Amino acid sequence: NAGVTQTPKFRVLKTGQSMTLLCAQDMNHEYMYWYRQDPGMGLRLIHYSVGEGTTAKGEVPDGYNVSRLKKQNFLLGLESAAPSQTSVYFCASSPGTSLSTDTQYFGPGTRLTVL
Amino acid sequence: GNSVTQMEGPVTLSEEAFLTINCTYTATGYPSLFWYVQYPGEGLQLLLKATKADDKGSNKGFEATYRKETTSFHLEKGSVQVSDSAVYFCALRYNNDMRFGAGTRLTVKP
Repeated sequence: NAGVTQTPKFRVLKTGQSMTLLCAQDMNHEYMYWYRQDPGMGLRLIHYSVGEGTTAKGEVPDGYNVSRLKKQNFLLGLESAAPSQTSVYFCASSPGTSLSTDTQYFGPGTRLTVL
Repeated sequence: GNSVTQMEGPVTLSEEAFLTINCTYTATGYPSLFWYVQYPGEGLQLLLKATKADDKGSNKGFEATYRKETTSFHLEKGSVQVSDSAVYFCALRYNNDMRFGAGTRLTVKP
C-alpha cells in the first residue's frame, strides 16, 4: 500500500547544480501537485497537473520545471539550484473530481539543501 | 487575493484539555476549507474538510465549522491526547489556488 512516494528523501546540492525529484502514486489519481514547505510559511504550490501530459503554474513556479509523461509520475526539476531553493518538497495527488474539493494525499517529503 | 491566517504556536496543553486553534481566511470566491495534520518526519494528512458555508467537518474527535460571516474555520477538540501532538495546518482551495496557513505546533503533555 505505497500511496505517494518521493525519491530521494534527502539531497545536498551546490549552487548551480541541477537535479530532478521524482513523485510516484499508485492510486490512479488524475491530479498531482508539488509544494515546498519553508519554516513559518506553510506550504506553497509550485506546479500542478490535472492529467497526463498537462502541467500548470502554482504560486511559486520560478526556478522549477515539471513534467507528467506518465499518469503515475510527476517530476520536479531544478535546472540551476540556488540557496533560496533550500526547502522541504512535498508531492501530493488527488482523484481528479475537483481542484477545490478533492482530498489530497501527500508523500513523505524530500529535504533539499543548496549550499 | 486568497490567504489563510492561523493562530501562532506553539501550543502546549495537558492531556484531556480542550483545544482551539483559530483559523481565518480571505477569499475572493467561495473556497473549500481544510485542516491537515503533520506528524514528525511525515507528509500532511487530511484531518477534516468543509466545502460550503455552515458545513461542519469532523474526524477523530476534531471539529471545525465553516463560518462565512466571520470568515473562520477554527479547529476544536474536547479532550486532547498525547498522540495528538503534531503540527496543524489550515488551508483553503478555490479552483487552482491553494493556500496554507503557517502551521500551529501542538504539544500535549501527560
